[in-house]
Amino acid sequence: EIVLTQSPGTLSLSPGERATLSCRASQTISSNYLAWYQQKVGQAPRLLIFGASSRATGIPDRFSGSGSGTDFTLTISRLEPEDLAMYYCQQYGRSPRTFGQGTKVEIK
Amino acid sequence: EVQLLESGGGLVQPGRSLRLSCTTSGFTFGDYAMSWFRQAPGKGLEWIGFTRSTAYGETTEYAASVEGRFSISRDDSKSIAYLQMNSLKTEDTAIYYCTRDLAGNYASSRYWGPGTLVTVSS
Repeated sequence: EIVLTQSPGTLSLSPGERATLSCRASQTISSNYLAWYQQKVGQAPRLLIFGASSRATGIPDRFSGSGSGTDFTLTISRLEPEDLAMYYCQQYGRSPRTFGQGTKVEIK
Repeated sequence: EVQLLESGGGLVQPGRSLRLSCTTSGFTFGDYAMSWFRQAPGKGLEWIGFTRSTAYGETTEYAASVEGRFSISRDDSKSIAYLQMNSLKTEDTAIYYCTRDLAGNYASSRYWGPGTLVTVSS
C-alpha cells in the first residue's frame, strides 16, 4: 500500500498570500496518478487536480499542481476566503487507492 | 449536467446488511468507472472500491478493510451503481460517497454525490 504523508497539518494564511501544500508518497506513483481534492465543511470533496498537474474543469487557475515520483505540491497562488477547506492528496494508480491525512487551510 | 445521488443509508444494527444505490444522470454510464468512498465522523477519506467501465469488463477491486463483506455492482441499463454491505460493524459508520471517475479504469474521481450517512449501532 502506498502511504501518502501531507504537510503541514494546518496552514494559516491571509487572503492574497500563497499557500504551498506538500504530499509525499512512500513509493513512486506510476504515471503521476496523483490527485488533489478540496473538501469544505459539510460538503463532498471536489476534484481540483489530476495527473499531478492537470486542473479539473471549472477550477480557478490560482490552483496548480506539480511534482513527480514521490513528491507532489499543490499551490494556491493567491488565497481567497472561500479557499478555507481541507485538502487531500490521493494516488489512484495502484489499488488500494490511498489518501493523505489532509491539510487544513485556515484564513486569517 | 452530471448528477449523482446516493440513497439507502440509515441506522442498522451490527451484523446486518444494507444496500446503497447511486443513481446517476447526464453521462453515458457504461463508459466510466464508478467508485465508492467513505468518511467516518471527523476523519479523513477512505477508498472502498470501484467497478471498471464496460470496456474494462466491469471488474471490481476493493480495500482490504471491506473485502469479502462489501461488493460493488452496476446496472448500466438504469445508470445505477450499488454498494452491498454485509456483516456491518460499528466501525463502518460513515458518510458514504459514490463517484464517477474520469475514465474507465484507474482514474481520479471527477464527480461526487452528496453522500449518505450509514450508522451502525445497536
